[in-house]
Amino acid sequence: DIQMTQSPSSLSASVGDRVTITCRASERMSSYLSWYQHRPGKAPKLLIYASSSLQSGVPSRFSGSKSGTDFTLTISGLQPEDFATYYCQQTYTTPHTFGQGTKLDIK
Amino acid sequence: EVQLVESGGGLVKPGGSLRLSCSVSGLSFSHAWMTWVRQAPGKGLEWVGRIKSHTDDGTTHYATPVKGRFTISRDDSKATLYLDIDSLRFEDTAIYYCATDTFLYGGPYDAYDFWGQGTLVTVSS
Repeated sequence: DIQMTQSPSSLSASVGDRVTITCRASERMSSYLSWYQHRPGKAPKLLIYASSSLQSGVPSRFSGSKSGTDFTLTISGLQPEDFATYYCQQTYTTPHTFGQGTKLDIK
Repeated sequence: EVQLVESGGGLVKPGGSLRLSCSVSGLSFSHAWMTWVRQAPGKGLEWVGRIKSHTDDGTTHYATPVKGRFTISRDDSKATLYLDIDSLRFEDTAIYYCATDTFLYGGPYDAYDFWGQGTLVTVSS
């Protein structure tokens, strides 16, 4: 199984800040990497697919990148509604493993 | 508007069984690859399994912790996805989400673009 190691596990930031979350895959998997936002009591929401493609309707302050087996989610100019938990997920092969999650809260 | 609505959760004793349903509207269900994902209390998202569309051979894949106890099936005539859970364990306590596994914009890369709100399964004696 492909293991996804996500860091940090938690992050405190302020409105307007730029934050970066990273996932490292245990093996090469092309760009089969997605990022999701999950707020308590809500359905997870797809933000980024194919490592760097912005899902329709998602604000452009969200971006993704890839370098080898390292994947990064960047949020530029945090908004109040961005404070949530973020997960990476690989869909290169089953099981479609998720990272452990990064809880982003207000400093 | 695409909607996925899970149902069937509840309180179950260890060793018991349960059937979860996911009713889908607003998309071509028969062509959709469907998945189940769960979240235990205080934990992260955990992939449970996936079923392909019947036109893509309808095969299922499961996470190791649930293999042999969980069965994913679908009824395209009812646009409904199912998750049958047997031999329930305390560690199966979680919110169970269904989601669509879609190859976006015709490309080779897929992602889970639509999700339900989840249904809570609690395993307790």
